[in-house]
Amino acid sequence: DGGITQSPKYLFRKEGQNVTLSCEQNLNHDAMYWYRQDPGQGLRLIYYSQIVNDFQKGDIAEGYSVSREKKESFPLTVTSAQKNPTAFYLCASSHPVGGGEDTQYFGPGTRLTVL
Amino acid sequence: KQEVTQIPAALSVPEGENLVLNCSFTDSAIYNLQWFRQDPGKGLTSLLLIQSSQREQTSGRLNASLDKSSGRSTLYIAASQPGDSATYLCAVRRNDYKLSFGAGTTVTVRA
Repeated sequence: DGGITQSPKYLFRKEGQNVTLSCEQNLNHDAMYWYRQDPGQGLRLIYYSQIVNDFQKGDIAEGYSVSREKKESFPLTVTSAQKNPTAFYLCASSHPVGGGEDTQYFGPGTRLTVL
Repeated sequence: KQEVTQIPAALSVPEGENLVLNCSFTDSAIYNLQWFRQDPGKGLTSLLLIQSSQREQTSGRLNASLDKSSGRSTLYIAASQPGDSATYLCAVRRNDYKLSFGAGTTVTVRA
């Protein structure tokens, strides 16, 4: 059963804590992405990775960090430097851009709330 | 910077009516455009992808058109059903390969 999994579904963080959101895919996709979704706004790109051991900042990378040690996994850490982290976080994956079939497939999301 | 706008933000129609959802973008230099569906509290599901060289794509009751020169795309859903109730987002792939999303149109189909 191929797809993208994200965990946990809900996450609560205290002020000043770092938290890590998990994203795993078994679609054999090279590219992976992290987005943030806020009410009434479109998704905004945080980080993306086109290949293992390489990643680039998206439009709103400040206060976030990522790693890409395995093709299947792209965890996102929300650090204490992120001033307004409460949001819905979505992970996606796709074949390499430019290959024609570059539809992005999304996970079910993680809702992060800062207490 | 690519700006993507979807109007209206919300739409309510009776069952059986055809739906017309609009998406506009400011920079016509796009790689492709994609329409997604999102159910409350869930991830996105891809509905249709239109390459920049194409004018439309069809899948079942769904048809999406693309007019690059005017910066517009329209998603048509024929004979709407209550199960079509969801938020529909369009996303434009820029030439730097990143996606720019609209805020979405939330559709309610009344039985």
